[in-house]
Amino acid sequence: KAGVTQTPRYLIKTRGQQVTLSCSPISGHRSVSWYQQTPGQGLQFLFEYFSETQRNKGNFPGRFSGRQFSNSRSEMNVSTLELGDSALYLCASSSPASGRDEQFFGPGTRLTVL
Amino acid sequence: LAKTTQPISMDSYEGQEVNITCSHNNIATNDYITWYQQFPSQGPRFIIQGYKTKVTNEVASLFIPADRKSSTLSLPRVSLSDTAVYYCLVGGLLKAAGNKLTFGGGTRVLVKP
Repeated sequence: KAGVTQTPRYLIKTRGQQVTLSCSPISGHRSVSWYQQTPGQGLQFLFEYFSETQRNKGNFPGRFSGRQFSNSRSEMNVSTLELGDSALYLCASSSPASGRDEQFFGPGTRLTVL
Repeated sequence: LAKTTQPISMDSYEGQEVNITCSHNNIATNDYITWYQQFPSQGPRFIIQGYKTKVTNEVASLFIPADRKSSTLSLPRVSLSDTAVYYCLVGGLLKAAGNKLTFGGGTRVLVKP
């Protein structure tokens, strides 16, 4: 099976712009979680989607939003970008049927805000 | 959520065994202990998970004492490619936790030739 894919891999934006990142989970996985990783704050949970519904949300401002499509692909959007949004954004998919209690992570999207 | 404490960094040499201990004094009855590995510019990767005693798989062993207040990840005969950050996570199974993993600071392991 193909792993979790994320596009684009790298992105450069300027303050005030918005950005949309995409994640395709492993085939058959219906849960997609998003994380932000920065040197200062480490890996932090953003939100989780399952069957097109947001089920869980971390402590991030409303500028961070997401959605999931019927094919389980997910997007996250960050509006009004700030310098502090520069980070590696990771998505992960999981399925109870995978046999192990684990999340499968994609390679991430490296976002740089100038 | 149980807080975890693990060393910030560890150095080792190829062929040696690396043991990383994680403290989790406030672990709850329903919590499991899970370890992930992360290489630079990649997403974390599941290594092993356990509840009590000892768990072994093809890449690592996990030792959990009876009181479960700590755990030790053991990597046998490491190679240069094992250089990575290792995260100890404590929490409920994914389904119970809403598919949310809570990461701490991790341990940066450097394997030298």
